[in-house]
Amino acid sequence: QKEVEQDPGPLSVPEGAIVSLNCTYSNSAFQYFMWYRQYSRKGPELLMYTYSSGNKEDGRFTAQVDKSSKYISLFIRDSQPSDSATYLCAIGGNNRLAFGKGNQVVVIP
Amino acid sequence: NAGVTQTPKFQVLKTGQSMTLQCAQDMNHEYMSWYRQDPGMGLRLIHYSVGAGITDQGEVPNGYNVSRSTTEDFPLRLLSAAPSQTSVYFCASSSTGTSEYEQYFGPGTRLTVT
Repeated sequence: QKEVEQDPGPLSVPEGAIVSLNCTYSNSAFQYFMWYRQYSRKGPELLMYTYSSGNKEDGRFTAQVDKSSKYISLFIRDSQPSDSATYLCAIGGNNRLAFGKGNQVVVIP
Repeated sequence: NAGVTQTPKFQVLKTGQSMTLQCAQDMNHEYMSWYRQDPGMGLRLIHYSVGAGITDQGEVPNGYNVSRSTTEDFPLRLLSAAPSQTSVYFCASSSTGTSEYEQYFGPGTRLTVT
């Protein structure tokens, strides 16, 4: 079983819709949870970072962590064409990060 | 601050050739790492370093060497390139402690091995 599972299917939504992305993880020793955004032909950039269960909001973005279920989510409200990118979940612990495969999101104007 | 810089941006190698991918950061970060990104595979950790003189293997270390003689630089060496090493390579850095997982990535090196 991989440490982080993220269904890599692409996602197309109309502008203004809510985007919902999620990952599961297997190793409860990992205690830090991140979402990275990667634009085409660029390096990933950190979008959200949390280390506790519950919700964390930053503008239109909400990261949700459920440690009991080993499940993390990212919600993007009022999606914009500029949100079109690949979103990668990552979990951290023991001096390293394990990444999901990423979801390509396309927001259609 | 330039952040994390990588050179070259693109490289084509023939099977069996060797080369070094350069990575430098100007944020005085202790932690540096190398990843490769392949379609359908996500980002996979090759090697990492928690400080000058200290390196360790990640998930896919075979065929790659690293060293860390300074805080700023963390080069990745391909000893004898193989077509399976065709990929996009990213270097990343972060502080240690609570910020350890807030990694800053470079722009990547696109490597093709023929």
